[in-house]
Amino acid sequence: QVQLVESGGGVVQPGRSLRLSCAASGFTFSSYGMHWVRQAPGKGLEWVALIWYDGKKKYYADSVKGRFTISRDNSKNTLFLQMNSLRIEDTAMYYCARDSPRGSYFDYWGQGILVTVSS
Amino acid sequence: SYVLTQPPSVSVAPGQTARITCGGNNIGSKSVHWYQQKPGQAPVLVVYDDSDRPSGIPERFSGSNSGYTATLTISRVEAGDEADYYCQVWDSSSDHRKFGGGTKLTVL
Repeated sequence: QVQLVESGGGVVQPGRSLRLSCAASGFTFSSYGMHWVRQAPGKGLEWVALIWYDGKKKYYADSVKGRFTISRDNSKNTLFLQMNSLRIEDTAMYYCARDSPRGSYFDYWGQGILVTVSS
Repeated sequence: SYVLTQPPSVSVAPGQTARITCGGNNIGSKSVHWYQQKPGQAPVLVVYDDSDRPSGIPERFSGSNSGYTATLTISRVEAGDEADYYCQVWDSSSDHRKFGGGTKLTVL
């Protein structure tokens, strides 16, 4: 069965960096686009970033563009999110999610990892 | 930037039908997807491509999309359906994904 397990979250000061990981199993990781989606406490879902199955194209929400970098290692079935210049408003639960086969919706989600940006 | 508008809350008695709307400019020309999120849990896909259901999702969940409004319909509502529901579309021009603000379904 498809499993997505996030790690790397925690408490970090504003302006610092953090790297999230998402370990994938139960499917051919290298065949699927992958996303990061976040949810601030008590708020709605916000799409963050997408990376194509082969890593050749990446897309970002305006709120994180230039600060966050999505990447993947298909040899290790792992997705990453490098978060730099963190702001208090980046505090959220971060989910990795698999792109649907035709690339329109999220068909599987991880359980999420909490990132808290606080001084 | 494409905006999706959902009502903040919908309330319904058990056994009745709940309808949750998602408004957007000419949304009928896009494929709309719906997610259910219960407290403390990750979202779960309940309807994709306007009206298709993933395996394991009850037939009570259905969707429609036309004009400027997409609708998630939950028939014979149960207490276990109480959750937040989000609509989502794919903005093909940017390859970005967009979510509605979410609707809290309360079962009275």
